[in-house]
Amino acid sequence: GGIITQTPKFLIGQEGQKLTLKCQQNFNHDTMYWYRQDSGKGLRLIYYSITENDLQKGDLSEGYDASREKKSSFSLTVTSAQKNEMAVFLCASSPRDWGGYEQYFGPGTRLTVL
Amino acid sequence: QQKVQQSPESLTVSEGAMASLNCTFSDGTSDNFRWYRQHSGKGLEVLVSIFSDGEKEEGRFTAHLNRASLHVSLHIREPQPSDSAVYLCAIQPGNYKYVFGAGTRLKVIA
Repeated sequence: GGIITQTPKFLIGQEGQKLTLKCQQNFNHDTMYWYRQDSGKGLRLIYYSITENDLQKGDLSEGYDASREKKSSFSLTVTSAQKNEMAVFLCASSPRDWGGYEQYFGPGTRLTVL
Repeated sequence: QQKVQQSPESLTVSEGAMASLNCTFSDGTSDNFRWYRQHSGKGLEVLVSIFSDGEKEEGRFTAHLNRASLHVSLHIREPQPSDSAVYLCAIQPGNYKYVFGAGTRLKVIA
């Protein structure tokens, strides 16, 4: 088995601040994802990385940057936090994207912007 | 763009009664359908993955897929209070593309 760790668990920022969220996985999975989860809405894909040094934009990439430092870690940066923003950011990984492989999710980082 | 709707938004059932959750999608071209559970403050846990029309059982969880009706359901047999969580339906319309529903909040009362 393996685990996905997200840090921090809670993140409070100020409007306009640049904020970084981190994700580590020890599954040795190739592909990693960042999703945003808003209350009452489904998960929306922000960025994904097919393999180390790869970055792909999802449907919600505007306002975010991502970095795949190594195979096991994937970071997400909120480039300018928006006042009253509140969401949970979920990191996931999978061995591949074809063949019905599962995505495994971390516990999330809860963001609040004051 | 593929859309996923889940119903009901919330559901309360008694311990031991069957719980049924529904998910409809906008076109039948996807191959992969999954049901996830999310306990409060936790990540998503996959319950059932189904790739062809029909039924797929994983323990107390059974998914039914009917692509012609654009519908996939989840039935939870003998639900327990520990099954109280948000249940999310997800479809995969293409490589690296997943579309999630907004979820059904299930409460199981003893």
